[in-house]
Amino acid sequence: DVKVTQSSRYLVKRTGEKVFLECVQDMDHENMFWYRQDPGLGLRLIYFSYDVKMKEKGDIPEGYSVSREKKERFSLILESASTNQTSMYLCASSSQSPNEQFFGPGTRLTVL
Amino acid sequence: LAKTTQPISMDSYEGQEVNITCSHNNIATNDYITWYQQFPSQGPRFIIQGYKTKVTNEVASLFIPADRKSSTLSLPRVSLSDTAVYYCLVGDLFSGGYNKLIFGAGTRLAVHP
Repeated sequence: DVKVTQSSRYLVKRTGEKVFLECVQDMDHENMFWYRQDPGLGLRLIYFSYDVKMKEKGDIPEGYSVSREKKERFSLILESASTNQTSMYLCASSSQSPNEQFFGPGTRLTVL
Repeated sequence: LAKTTQPISMDSYEGQEVNITCSHNNIATNDYITWYQQFPSQGPRFIIQGYKTKVTNEVASLFIPADRKSSTLSLPRVSLSDTAVYYCLVGDLFSGGYNKLIFGAGTRLAVHP
């Protein structure tokens, strides 16, 4: 059974802290994605990666960075967390099938 | 970019067929249309995907007219467990259009006994 796991389900951080969200997939997928989900706005793409060490900006990359050192792992980094980054963060992966992404359970991040 | 528009919410009753329509007027030639289902506290789950005409699988059908400016997800004989948010996604991973994957805001479907 395919699996995407995220390091935490719930996270509380303070403004200005550096935050790491980690995602691991066990399906040998080439593509990995980070989204944030906010009420009324649906899912918005932050960054994606189509290969190790490769990354591309999505719709809302400002305030975020990513790292993909190994194929199975994709990390989202908030260099200096702000309250407007309080959100649900979803990681996903996909192979070559167009748009069929497998999502993790999400990390609900609260920045105080 | 192919912006998508869906109804915010829908209500139905057990055993009925539910049709959810997504508008995507600016869909590009290479874009596929994909629908996802999301339950509370879970990530979205793939339901069905298509490019044109009709696609059917064991859980749903997807109808796409010739102009591809809209699509309709059809759920036959819904049950209470189909209560969820349904997202329409338009885009194409193959043509380098990763940053053009656009999710709609989702349709909250409530199925009543």
